Amino acid sequence: SAVISQKPSRDICQRGTSLTIQCQVDSQVTMMFWYRQQPGQSLTLIATANQGSEATYESGFVIDKFPISRPNLTFSTLTVSNMSPEDSSIYLCSVDLGTQYNEQFFGPGTRLTVL
Amino acid sequence: AQRVTQPEKLLSVFKGAPVELKCNYSYSGSPELFWYVQYSRQRLQLLLRHISRESIKGFTADLNKGETSFHLKKPFAQEEDSAMYYCALRAAGNKLTFGGGTRVLVKP
Repeated sequence: SAVISQKPSRDICQRGTSLTIQCQVDSQVTMMFWYRQQPGQSLTLIATANQGSEATYESGFVIDKFPISRPNLTFSTLTVSNMSPEDSSIYLCSVDLGTQYNEQFFGPGTRLTVL
Repeated sequence: AQRVTQPEKLLSVFKGAPVELKCNYSYSGSPELFWYVQYSRQRLQLLLRHISRESIKGFTADLNKGETSFHLKKPFAQEEDSAMYYCALRAAGNKLTFGGGTRVLVKP
């Protein structure tokens, strides 16, 4: 398994501002992912964070709104830009360790509330 | 596109009773399926993977390709099994598609 931490654990922000969420892993991993979990909803994949290249975004998510950085194999950031109350969610990062089972391990999540 | 459906949002059972969480999927490729669990105030964690055919915490899940199902079962539910359960399918690019989740409440 992997030890995954996220900062901040929670935040309350004003609309129109931006928040950057950090994800740190205790080992080098090739694949990192960012998910969103809106209140009462399931997890939805935002993007795959690729080291050394641009992130790959899922349908409905764009780089201008959710810019992602992946400077090395243990770290990634997700920025939620120009926030609105609809962005209030839990944001989670996950990693794929590349084992034979291809399972993903998840961080504790960042609970974001936009007023 | 792949899809995962968990028809029950809430399952309430008494301690010691059997519990079955339904999961159906649609995917054109060869599916890899997982069950994740989230206990209160804890992070999402892997419970089962279909490929290893294991039993974890008394839970089992069998992949039925004919019925495109991956139901999770436990013969005797315990209070500590109360949690949110998510069925997930791994598609190309190692992306996970999650079902809507089922909340299990085990009553004493």
